[in-house]
Amino acid sequence: NAGVMQNPRHLVRRRGQEARLRCSPMKGHSHVYWYRQLPEEGLKFMVYLQKENIIDESGMPKERFSAEFPKEGPSILRIQQVVRGDSAAYFCASSRGQGQYGAFFGQGTRLTVV
Amino acid sequence: TQLLEQSPQFLSIQEGENLTVYCNSSSVFSSLQWYRQEPGEGPVLLVTVVTGGEVKKLKRLTFQFGDARKDSSLHITAAQPGDTGLYLCAGDQTGANNLFFGTGTRLTVIP
Repeated sequence: NAGVMQNPRHLVRRRGQEARLRCSPMKGHSHVYWYRQLPEEGLKFMVYLQKENIIDESGMPKERFSAEFPKEGPSILRIQQVVRGDSAAYFCASSRGQGQYGAFFGQGTRLTVV
Repeated sequence: TQLLEQSPQFLSIQEGENLTVYCNSSSVFSSLQWYRQEPGEGPVLLVTVVTGGEVKKLKRLTFQFGDARKDSSLHITAAQPGDTGLYLCAGDQTGANNLFFGTGTRLTVIP
């Protein structure tokens, strides 16, 4: 049973370009969370999705950031017109449900904006 | 507002020593989880505690959920270099739509 798969592992973008981060949840998991982590810091919640629905995007900047989890295919976190401050590790986690099920994380995508 | 505060923030100990890491909040959680994260990797789920006062053991690791479900502790016995990493607690609240992560404790075990 494959774990949560994120790609790419590393992504370099120039300022103003778009970044697309992909996350395939574990088999049987319909809940996906995206988190952002800066060096030496904890995980900051960005968005929580279920299939075809955004449940909570309270942690995601209103501009330039968007997320989706289509019926078929991976969840996508999209950052438009990237700026240097977007450089961070972005982690996706999947779960069977909320609460005591726990979340299983991918290895993350390290975005560097140059 | 940081819902979950972990202490200590950094901890460096010798191999073989015991240690305790704390996760505290003024909020009640329906469940609380502990994760360990190594450099360059995603967090790995260690345990989930659900019931107030619950104690769970995972080899040399002992996890406890406070009676009021506002705090938790992680105790490691006879620490080994392989225990080195960032330990994160995360809480789930009824009606909330995300896991709230703590500030993290960075543990270094020196051989």
